Amino acid sequence: GAGVSQSPSNKVTEKGKDVELRCDPISGHTALYWYRQSLGQGLEFLIYFQGNSAPDKSGLPSDRFSAERTGGSVSTLTIQRTQQEDSAVYLCASIVRLAGFNEQFFGPGTRLTVL
Amino acid sequence: DAKTTQPTSMDCAEGRAANLPCNHSTISGNEYVYWYRQIHSQGPQYIIHGLKNNETNEMASLIITEDRKSSTLILPHATLRDTAVYYCIVRVAGDTGNQFYFGTGTSLTVIP
Repeated sequence: GAGVSQSPSNKVTEKGKDVELRCDPISGHTALYWYRQSLGQGLEFLIYFQGNSAPDKSGLPSDRFSAERTGGSVSTLTIQRTQQEDSAVYLCASIVRLAGFNEQFFGPGTRLTVL
Repeated sequence: DAKTTQPTSMDCAEGRAANLPCNHSTISGNEYVYWYRQIHSQGPQYIIHGLKNNETNEMASLIITEDRKSSTLILPHATLRDTAVYYCIVRVAGDTGNQFYFGTGTSLTVIP
């Protein structure tokens, strides 16, 4: 079946511009995470959505970052006034509960380059 | 949250067993050990998880010490396609939210 998809796969933007990154989770998965991964670094948690509950935004690095999830499915991560340090791969994962634990299915990521 | 410590990198000869260690000395009684791997340019992929008993699936085996302060992921017959970054994570099973601290993992290189 279809996995998690993200678009665009690559995004190059100029410093100060706004960008939107999209995540299409696996149908029926109720929870969704956004992470980012800078070059040579581990995954950094950004935000988490679970059903209709208020999202956990504790990982967002600044108020330039925001995310929404429409209809409990597609999610958009928005970065306003991008900075060079925002350059990273942004990964989305959707969650399904299997045998009592939550397995994360990751998308291929969006590689963001801020010039 | 319990954090984990892993070697930065390891090499393994193709066809041999790859043994990837992980220390999690502050693990709590209800925290599971998860392993994921991330092949270059892809998202992380779940491998295996366990609580205290050793576990085995089609991908790997997980050996957890009796005191649960460390574990080892074993790839029994490493192939070139197993070259990836391997992440050891501890977390309460079934919980969600800011829970998967991936760290920098171990970069495994399988050598022909």
